[in-house]
Amino acid sequence: GAGVSQSPRYKVAKRGQDVALRCDPISGHVSLFWYQQALGQGPEFLTYFQNEAQLDKSGLPSDRFFAERPEGSVSTLKIQRTQQEDSAVYLCASSLLGQGVYGYTFGSGTRLTVV
Amino acid sequence: AQTVTQSQPEMSVQEAETVTLSCTYDTSESDYYLFWYKQPPSRQMILVIRQEAYKQQNATENRFSVNFQKAAKSFSLKISDSQLGDAAMYFCAYKDPPYRLTFGEGTQLTVNP
Repeated sequence: GAGVSQSPRYKVAKRGQDVALRCDPISGHVSLFWYQQALGQGPEFLTYFQNEAQLDKSGLPSDRFFAERPEGSVSTLKIQRTQQEDSAVYLCASSLLGQGVYGYTFGSGTRLTVV
Repeated sequence: AQTVTQSQPEMSVQEAETVTLSCTYDTSESDYYLFWYKQPPSRQMILVIRQEAYKQQNATENRFSVNFQKAAKSFSLKISDSQLGDAAMYFCAYKDPPYRLTFGEGTQLTVNP
């Protein structure tokens, strides 16, 4: 597609519920990233994929967070047993080349609110 | 871990005037990339300008330019002839070799008509 597409745009989850956030990167982009942006703060790195391989998941805050990109295109970020501190905007970004020296293209994010 | 600091939580500018947003960073690397991103209420992070650390020449993109001081680890953004559409949150970002972006806290820019 023309840009990075994320869905849903908004998600309200009850505490303890599982959620799945989808990212559809630009076609052909090798690298895909997930970032978490808490209210009033800058985005923070969660995880990095090169094609279908998850090369870095060091930013995932707990084992309740899980990401996958099984066919090297669409990615899903799953949060199990959501808690209030998971409330944030989740941004996805992609780049054609592995190291993104020209910057990354971001989607508009999913705003997750846990009540 | 690398850190990026934006010391101005909010800035305002009159339409058609010039404003400068500040950013400092900490790194022990000699070769890296720096970016300024704009985030409007739509939430999408839009790349404004990039700078390669090994290039001494300051990057320029139309009305946007940077003042890159490598020794001082400073990377400020200058917006000339400010327009109403420039109003947004601006984030400075450092790219850790080889791929991780570290963002500052952001500066909320208001443009007054």
